[in-house]
Amino acid sequence: GAVVSQHPSWVICKSGTSVKIECRSLDFQATTMFWYRQFPKQSLMLMATSNEGSKATYEQGVEKDKFLINHASLTLSTLTVTSAHPEDSSFYICSARASGTSDRYEQYFGPGTRLTVT
Amino acid sequence: KNQVEQSPQSLIILEGKNCTLQCNYTVSPFSNLRWYKQDTGRGPVSLTIMTFSENTKSNGRYTATLDADTKQSSLHITASQLSDSASYICVVRVYTDGSQGNLIFGKGTKLSVKP
Repeated sequence: GAVVSQHPSWVICKSGTSVKIECRSLDFQATTMFWYRQFPKQSLMLMATSNEGSKATYEQGVEKDKFLINHASLTLSTLTVTSAHPEDSSFYICSARASGTSDRYEQYFGPGTRLTVT
Repeated sequence: KNQVEQSPQSLIILEGKNCTLQCNYTVSPFSNLRWYKQDTGRGPVSLTIMTFSENTKSNGRYTATLDADTKQSSLHITASQLSDSASYICVVRVYTDGSQGNLIFGKGTKLSVKP
């Protein structure tokens, strides 16, 4: 089945630094990738949608200059949290959808990255 | 407003018992409804996906039902196992003509299966 990986699985960084999270589709090409954030006991909240080769579309309230998304290839998207603050500590999950699939088909989720900003 | 509500918020059952989780949604227009299992610290894994015309779908010990008229869905787990302990998330996709609609997530039901 389709596999989506994320790296790292967890990261601790100091306030003010930047951290990059990678999302890869391992056995399929993903024209569209999604980035979600999940706070404890909350549902997943969509942050942005990225299509390969174009700029990401950010959800309302998500700062695009703070959360930089790059979807440079059909198998890789990166999320960079710039100038991280403790309130950015969260569980970040990426999701990928294969190219050429209809809405009927799956959006595959990565295992998530736990970010802790101290 | 598109919303997905799940109940109960949490549930504790004994190993071997059955349980049913509920999902009510107000998403419109409706495309499909999915149930995911999310282990602690992991990403969601798909259990079932149902469109408007499907009213039941099984995946092993998991059986999902959908009543599109009342906008309700349930996930029934049979003969629970310790490994079923997880959060179960109901997700509804909004139908968007010509493109992919957003996924609306419920907050999940946290299931704990005790020996």
